[in-house]
Amino acid sequence: SAVISQKPSRDICQRGTSLTIQCQVDSQVTMMFWYRQQPGQSLTLIATANQGSEATYESGFVIDKFPISRPNLTFSTLTVSNMSPEDSSIYLCISTGLAYNEQFFGPGTRLTVL
Amino acid sequence: AQSVTQPDIHITVSEGASLELRCNYSYGATPYLFWYVQSPGQGLQLLLKYFSGDTLVQGIKGFEAEFKRSQSSFNLRKPSVHWSDAAEYFCAVGAGPGGGNKLTFGTGTQLKVEL
Repeated sequence: SAVISQKPSRDICQRGTSLTIQCQVDSQVTMMFWYRQQPGQSLTLIATANQGSEATYESGFVIDKFPISRPNLTFSTLTVSNMSPEDSSIYLCISTGLAYNEQFFGPGTRLTVL
Repeated sequence: AQSVTQPDIHITVSEGASLELRCNYSYGATPYLFWYVQSPGQGLQLLLKYFSGDTLVQGIKGFEAEFKRSQSSFNLRKPSVHWSDAAEYFCAVGAGPGGGNKLTFGTGTQLKVEL
């Protein structure tokens, strides 16, 4: 199995600023995904992080707001840009193992925007 | 596109009573199905998953789920609920390798256990 770490674990940010969240997996994985869980809500997929190419965004999410990088098989970053209070959420990195039938969850980054 | 419906937003049961949480999915191919539990302030924990084979799946903490293709359902059950089972439960469907293995989550069912 794989262990995922995320940095930071939580942050409080001012409106209009940006925050970059890091996701590090301790072994090679195939897919890496970024999800958002707004307060009291379910998890919503933001995008699939593709190694060495642009991320694939879900409907309602755009690259300018949520730029994503994935320079290698074990690391990805998500930036939340020009933040507003509506961006206050838990941001979660999820990856799929080489066998595809395993999902690994990061601990999440709890973001509060004032 | 895949989707998941959890019809019950809140469920309250007495400790020791049986539990069934409903989950219906929509997916064009054979689905990968999951149940997760999230305690307050905690991350998601996998209870069980179904990919193929026996349609009755056993999970952790005494939970089980049954895949019924004809009903597009994957309901979660537990014969006797404990107070520590109070949490939010999420059903999810995975697209599998052909669909990039994206997970789509239901809206969740909040379980309250009365002592």
